[in-house]
Amino acid sequence: DAGVIQSPRHEVTEMGQEVTLRCKPISGHDYLFWYRQTMMRGLELLIYFNNNVPIDDSGMPEDRFSAKMPNASFSTLKIQPSEPRDSAVYFCASSRRKGQGREKLFFGSGTQLSVL
Amino acid sequence: KQEVTQIPAALSVPEGENLVLNCSFTDSAIYNLQWFRQDPGKGLTSLLLIQSSQREQTSGRLNASLDKSSGRSTLYIAASQPGDSATYLCAGSGSARQLTFGSGTQLTVLP
Repeated sequence: DAGVIQSPRHEVTEMGQEVTLRCKPISGHDYLFWYRQTMMRGLELLIYFNNNVPIDDSGMPEDRFSAKMPNASFSTLKIQPSEPRDSAVYFCASSRRKGQGREKLFFGSGTQLSVL
Repeated sequence: KQEVTQIPAALSVPEGENLVLNCSFTDSAIYNLQWFRQDPGKGLTSLLLIQSSQREQTSGRLNASLDKSSGRSTLYIAASQPGDSATYLCAGSGSARQLTFGSGTQLTVLP
């Protein structure tokens, strides 16, 4: 399996522009997570999906952030409009429900976002 | 809400030394606890997962323990090597099944 695939690897944009980050989870995984990592705040959960349905988006910082999962093999995280404080590494991760706490989390390589 | 703390933030040891990384968590109703490794500019790689019903897990030179009553987990690395240099993060999954991450321990193994 190719693992969790994220694109782009790097994104540089100007303040006010729309940014779309993409993720392809591991085939067969029914949970998908979006995390953001910064030096100041570490890894923060933004939102997660179960069977393509958003379960908890309480970590989404503002209405400028939105996420979708139109099918089991694709998810997007959109920021519109982007701001310099959104600069961070955004990770997508997926897992498969196994019960009894056996679910391992698999991460993509991340998208390094820089908003100028 | 689950809170996870890792101390120390950074650790430097000579090659060959055995070492212990510490992790503490606040919600004893933990679903599982996972240890991850992160190399610079890379994503996180899962190293060990301990279910709430377990006390430890081992993989090669790595051993992770879980003590729910004290809210602590440790990652033991035997015979450390320069290739072990990375940031190690622990993450606890509470009743909401969501992983909360610690801030990590940056490990440097000196040749």
